[in-house]
Amino acid sequence: GAVVSQHPSWVICKSGTSVKIECRSLDFQATTMFWYRQFPKQSLMLMATSNEGSKATYEQGVEKDKFLINHASLTLSTLTVTSAHPEDSSFYICSVGLAGRYEQYFGPGTRLTVT
Amino acid sequence: AQSVTQPDIHITVSEGASLELRCNYSYGATPYLFWYVQSPGQGLQLLLKYFSGDTLVQGIKGFEAEFKRSQSSFNLRKPSVHWSDAAEYFCAVVFPETGNQFYFGTGTSLTVIP
Repeated sequence: GAVVSQHPSWVICKSGTSVKIECRSLDFQATTMFWYRQFPKQSLMLMATSNEGSKATYEQGVEKDKFLINHASLTLSTLTVTSAHPEDSSFYICSVGLAGRYEQYFGPGTRLTVT
Repeated sequence: AQSVTQPDIHITVSEGASLELRCNYSYGATPYLFWYVQSPGQGLQLLLKYFSGDTLVQGIKGFEAEFKRSQSSFNLRKPSVHWSDAAEYFCAVVFPETGNQFYFGTGTSLTVIP
């Protein structure tokens, strides 16, 4: 399987600031990455699908201007939470999709706390 | 619409006892099925998966799961639970005829009593 890292593992930021989360595929080139959000004691909610070299596809109800996704290379996708608010506090997980295969490998997650 | 149900929100078992976590899906298409485990504050680790073939699949850490098409189920089992198995377990389903999106169940939290 693929090895996926996320940075940072946790971050605290003040309300109104922006924060960037990186997702890296360490051992192979990923054409597709996924971004999920997870609230405490809840399941994963798909936010967007990130394709290398093209615009991300956002799920219904996810503000694309607030959650900026950039998949600039085959090994890196970034999620930027702009003008963060306390309600954006959550656990954000990325995953890598294997081309032509219906599998995903998940990063360790990033805990975001907005104060 | 596609959906995945994990009927048990929380399960408590004694160490050494057997375990079964339930997962049901709804949709008519042939699914690909996965079980993931998540420890607190961590990402998801793949336990096992089913695409086709033998409906009983073996995974890591002594887990197995059985796909029953007639029941639209993919229950996870372990014959003897260890304290380290305490975690959150997620069932996930992909319907390849409709795309590669994962549909996750709501999760089952497992507590292991010494």
